[in-house]
Amino acid sequence: GEDVEQSLFLSVREGDSSVINCTYTDSSSTYLYWYKQEPGAGLQLLTYIFSNMDMKQDQRLTVLLNKKDKHLSLRIADTQTGDSAIYFCAEIIPRGGADGLTFGKGTHLIIQP
Amino acid sequence: DAMVIQNPRYQVTQFGKPVTLSCSQTLNHNVMYWYQQKSSQAPKLLFHYYDKDFNNEADTPDNFQSRRPNTSFCFLDIRSPGLGDAAMYLCATSRYGLAGITDTQYFGPGTRLTVL
Repeated sequence: GEDVEQSLFLSVREGDSSVINCTYTDSSSTYLYWYKQEPGAGLQLLTYIFSNMDMKQDQRLTVLLNKKDKHLSLRIADTQTGDSAIYFCAEIIPRGGADGLTFGKGTHLIIQP
Repeated sequence: DAMVIQNPRYQVTQFGKPVTLSCSQTLNHNVMYWYQQKSSQAPKLLFHYYDKDFNNEADTPDNFQSRRPNTSFCFLDIRSPGLGDAAMYLCATSRYGLAGITDTQYFGPGTRLTVL
């Protein structure tokens, strides 16, 4: 079945690293994504990882994928106040034709000064 | 420059009064999607158009319809809004709509629908 789970809240101090975790259930997922949503705004794609990769780094962002445990994480180094947002994990499962994303409920990242 | 535009950003309607939400794109993408996001919930796919082909998710209520008169525009029609339809409605586009290749979905800012 399709299900993506995330913790609802994460609080970190400015300058520390943030690690947002996600678990998914469908092993046929091909791509896994992290989206960011700021208040009143749409979803912004941050990064993605193909299911045959273990890690992907993009500037301050590091994505780790443990396919055996169906666990995905997003690490944000040197967290800044501008990183305060909701972060959604999403998977895409090929079903033939155009495929929509299945999202988690999102993790609210709260930055403490 | 805005690539996926949604109008209006905020829409208030009355219980049972039909309402239409609008989405337009400047990307010339083949696929347009509508997602519903209720408060503190994950965005949920309602349906999508691959070019002119309409694809409904199995659990999307009949109360929700969509039209795509041309490549650039897609509309979400809610025939008889109920209180439970109050949500943020997100439009997204992608070039190919294929899960087998990297095909980013670009999202608009959303329309927040309030039902009185």
